[in-house]
Amino acid sequence: EAEVAQSPRYKITEKSQAVAFWCDPISGHATLYWYRQILGQGPELLVQFQDESVVDDSQLPKDRFSAERLKGVDSTLKIQPAELGDSAMYLCASSLYDRGTDTQYFGPGTRLTVL
Amino acid sequence: AQTVTQSQPEMSVQEAETVTLSCTYDTSESDYYLFWYKQPPSRQMILVIRQEAYKQQNATENRFSVNFQKAAKSFSLKISDSQLGDAAMYFCASTDGSQGNLIFGKGTKLSVKP
Repeated sequence: EAEVAQSPRYKITEKSQAVAFWCDPISGHATLYWYRQILGQGPELLVQFQDESVVDDSQLPKDRFSAERLKGVDSTLKIQPAELGDSAMYLCASSLYDRGTDTQYFGPGTRLTVL
Repeated sequence: AQTVTQSQPEMSVQEAETVTLSCTYDTSESDYYLFWYKQPPSRQMILVIRQEAYKQQNATENRFSVNFQKAAKSFSLKISDSQLGDAAMYFCASTDGSQGNLIFGKGTKLSVKP
């Protein structure tokens, strides 16, 4: 069964360093989401792509976060510089399209710890 | 802003018994979708069940069913014949309108006692 792949699974970094997370969605899925999940909370959307275009990045802290999906397939989320408050699980999800009927499939996540 | 509220941070159920997890939401949209996702410890989130707001009939998936009360903006999940593998965090979520953006609640941690 096809799955969403994410790497690394765990990342420990010091504040002010740069970190990057990678996501490979299920083949054929046009829509890709990055969520941030703080411990004890539900996921919150950071950015949504439709193919290679950003359709919603209203919750992305653009002064330090960036995301790209250059060829409309895999995606990278970058934080520079990392802050203590960025410690969280970063989840990637994909769906066929961005309709409410389309199930979002989640990857295993990257757990980031900022020291 | 759209919100999803899960008022039970933790729940516990005996194996083979039935448990109901609560969820309320607030939206001004007329067309939206509601979901329950399961997140087992150290494993990825998976969809449990989905409800289209325009459908009056409650969704059912094997041992999982929902009680959708549109006027009350309530969307509870019932798990029948609970199994040890049902132990997980359960998140209620709503789409932001008819598109796919999900708004999640804070989750309910379900424990299943043997």
